[in-house]
Amino acid sequence: GNSVTQMEGPVTLSEEAFLTINCTYTATGYPSLFWYVQYPGEGLQLLLKATKADDKGSNKGFEATYRKETTSFHLEKGSVQVSDSAVYFCALRPDSGNTPLVFGKGTRLSVIA
Amino acid sequence: DTGVSQDPRHKITKRGQNVTFRCDPISEHNRLYWYRQTLGQGPEFLTYFQNEAQLEKSRLLSDRFSAERPKGSFSTLEIQRTEQGDSAMYLCASSPGARETQYFGPGTRLLVL
Repeated sequence: GNSVTQMEGPVTLSEEAFLTINCTYTATGYPSLFWYVQYPGEGLQLLLKATKADDKGSNKGFEATYRKETTSFHLEKGSVQVSDSAVYFCALRPDSGNTPLVFGKGTRLSVIA
Repeated sequence: DTGVSQDPRHKITKRGQNVTFRCDPISEHNRLYWYRQTLGQGPEFLTYFQNEAQLEKSRLLSDRFSAERPKGSFSTLEIQRTEQGDSAMYLCASSPGARETQYFGPGTRLLVL
């Protein structure tokens, strides 16, 4: 079946540090891949997405590249800010059949000044 | 575009009571999804609609759960005879079409005592 595995949190970084949150997936075909972010007390917001192999999604300084060969979609940011503190969810939408998203468990990021 | 809205934002109820949640999707989005998120986990799919038709229900949706979207606009999710295990955040999302980005509401947090 379809599944998403994210690195366990919490992740604590100092401001301006480099961020990587690992995400790997299991799916048939070519799913679309997403990163959603959930700030405290708020709903999920789409951060970035990629719909085919080698696509790079980017937004607000965050980037992730769809790697079919390693079934990965790692999230990176070169210099985090305190305002990036949130829970980050990796998700996939299957290539065919139903279209609901399949989420990972989430990774909590805390950035300290 | 005012985004997806959900009501209420919080609900506390006693075990055995019935509760109903409402979701208003983004205008003209024909797909509407319900997910459930428990503490420390990613959202899990419950059910989805295309216009007024309920197209899929997950195995998580027991007989005590029912969802409707009578006019293809807002949707309701009812839980009958609530149990403590129903305590979770219930998320609604909408999208313009089957393979379009899903936009999430702020969620309804349910606590069953």
